[in-house]
Amino acid sequence: QVQLVQSGSELKKPGASVKISCKASGYTFTVYGLNWVRQAPGQGLEWMGWISTSTGIPTYAQGFTGRFVFSLDTSVSTAYLQISGLKPEDTAIYYCARDSPGVVVTGKTFYYMDVWGKGTTVTVSS
Amino acid sequence: QSVLTQSPSASGTPGQSVTISCSGGKSNIGRNIVTWYQQLPGTAPKLLIYNNNQRPSGVPDRFSGSKSGASASLAISGLQSEDEADYYCATWDDSLNVWVFGAGTKLTVL
Repeated sequence: QVQLVQSGSELKKPGASVKISCKASGYTFTVYGLNWVRQAPGQGLEWMGWISTSTGIPTYAQGFTGRFVFSLDTSVSTAYLQISGLKPEDTAIYYCARDSPGVVVTGKTFYYMDVWGKGTTVTVSS
Repeated sequence: QSVLTQSPSASGTPGQSVTISCSGGKSNIGRNIVTWYQQLPGTAPKLLIYNNNQRPSGVPDRFSGSKSGASASLAISGLQSEDEADYYCATWDDSLNVWVFGAGTKLTVL
């Protein structure tokens, strides 16, 4: 079955870096894009951006440029999120979520996030 | 402040029906399909409704979605205790070029 398996929880000190992985299985990795979504403690969902698994080109949402890097290793069907210069406010659960197959409605193709990883908790504390 | 507006909470007793609303604008719900996610306590979001009103396989038909103009709704009939969760609406925003989520509605089954 289609699934995204994320790496385990991380506890980091301010200023450190972290690299989270998201391994896909059950489908052809390079066919569907991969999104990253953040959920701060007790808060809602925030889209960080996505990476094209066919080209490797990342797109970052405002607020997630500079310290955040999306990357891929297509040989092992895995996407990565690296965060550098960690701050306490980066404490959150980070989810990867797959782009769906396109849905064509009145000639326009739409996408949504259909399969989600279980999330990786990153805690930043001194 | 979320681009999509949801009521922070909703409640009902077992067997009742409840509706959760999601209000947006021309650049998001008005032009794009709406997706709903269910997040049970301590778990990842799960796809509940896509393309405004379509249910993925495995989602009970007690859950239904609709969209009109720049607003969308999620209806849950025959409430069950296991429906107690946070519900998020989501769509693409053509002006901001980002995925936008509602702030979530916490559903309590009394």
